[in-house]
Amino acid sequence: DVKVTQSSRYLVKRTGEKVFLECVQDMDHENMFWYRQDPGLGLRLIYFSYDVKMKEKGDIPEGYSVSREKKERFSLILESASTNQTSMYLCASSFMSRGTYEQYFGPGTRLTVT
Amino acid sequence: QQQVKQSPQSLIVQKGGISIINCAYENTAFDYFPWYQQFPGKGPALLIAIRPDVSEKKEGRFTISFNKSAKQFSLHIMDSQPGDSATYFCAAKGNAGNMLTFGGGTRLMVKP
Repeated sequence: DVKVTQSSRYLVKRTGEKVFLECVQDMDHENMFWYRQDPGLGLRLIYFSYDVKMKEKGDIPEGYSVSREKKERFSLILESASTNQTSMYLCASSFMSRGTYEQYFGPGTRLTVT
Repeated sequence: QQQVKQSPQSLIVQKGGISIINCAYENTAFDYFPWYQQFPGKGPALLIAIRPDVSEKKEGRFTISFNKSAKQFSLHIMDSQPGDSATYFCAAKGNAGNMLTFGGGTRLMVKP
């Protein structure tokens, strides 16, 4: 079974704090993703990485950065947390084979910024 | 600007009824259309997917109907059960790249 784990299920931080969200996958997938999930807006892509040290901006990268030093680990960094970054954050890794494509998601981290 | 529009945002269905969720897309480069199911406290998980060379795909009680000319696709859940209560996301993937574009989600409640 593919497993994507996220370091925290719930996190409460103060405005201006630097926040690290960690994600680990155990299936040697090359591609990893960070999304935020907000009601009515679905899942919006923040950043993705297609290899170690490689990253590309998604639809809403402002206020975020990422780090991928090892293939299995993808970190999302909020340099200076703001209240509008209160959200559910989902990490995923993806696999493609013989025309089948699937993203595997972690359980999410619910971040509250006060 | 949402490239994949999903409706309705919420849906209540009686047990045994049919649940229907609709999605529309704009980008003709999309060539893979999955549906994801998310239970409370869990991440989304792939439910069923279709490519535009077929108009329908069925897996158990779940069916995707695809209309390429209208750029629309829908999920039908037959004989809906309380255990189907979850949030459903449609998505689309382009023929190049590894990214999914998600719809806004539909929160389904199946009443016993």
